[in-house]
Amino acid sequence: EIVLTQSPGTLSLSPGERATLSCRASQSVTSTYLGWYQQKPGQAPRLLIFGASSRATGIPDRFSGSGSGTDFTLTISRLEPEDFAVYYCQQYGNSPPSTFGQGTKLEIK
Amino acid sequence: EAQLVESGGGLVQPGGSLRLSCAGSGFTFSDRYIDWVRQAPGKGLEWVGRIRNKANGYFTQYAASVEGRFTFSRDDSRNSVYLQMNSLKTEDTAVYYCTGLLWATGPNYWGQGTLVTVSP
Repeated sequence: EIVLTQSPGTLSLSPGERATLSCRASQSVTSTYLGWYQQKPGQAPRLLIFGASSRATGIPDRFSGSGSGTDFTLTISRLEPEDFAVYYCQQYGNSPPSTFGQGTKLEIK
Repeated sequence: EAQLVESGGGLVQPGGSLRLSCAGSGFTFSDRYIDWVRQAPGKGLEWVGRIRNKANGYFTQYAASVEGRFTFSRDDSRNSVYLQMNSLKTEDTAVYYCTGLLWATGPNYWGQGTLVTVSP
């Protein structure tokens, strides 16, 4: 099983600032199968990034993904009030089976 | 508009069974792999398993935590996938989501979730 470790656990920032979220894998992940999600209270997760760096349909361009191998990053260039939420990374390949990171909570400072 | 809708959640006693359904519309359901993901109250996301499409033999994979107790099936004629849960434990209490995966677009379709509560 691939263990995904997200850091930091909580990130406190102000609107307009830049957010950098990390996802580190216990073994190499095929970039094609790395995704990032945003989840707000009481809602289903929403896919932001797939294939490590491709934005899903309708996702603003302030969200970007990068990385390869065992280190991946989600960057939000300028935080909007609606961006404060919990973010998860996921590797969704067939083998090894899919796993999620434990999440990063992005809160208003 | 593409959507997935889960149903069948509810309250069940430990050791009991429950069957969840996931119905898709607005997209070519049969092309998609369908994953089940759950989220215990106040916790993170946990991948439960996957059923592949017909072209890949409807192959199923399960997380170790549910292997031997949960079973996936699908009926593409009804645009539906089913999760049969047996021998339920209190730690299976969670919101269960189904998600539709295409390699070209990632797991971009998610249902709203259905709550399963396992309690005496």
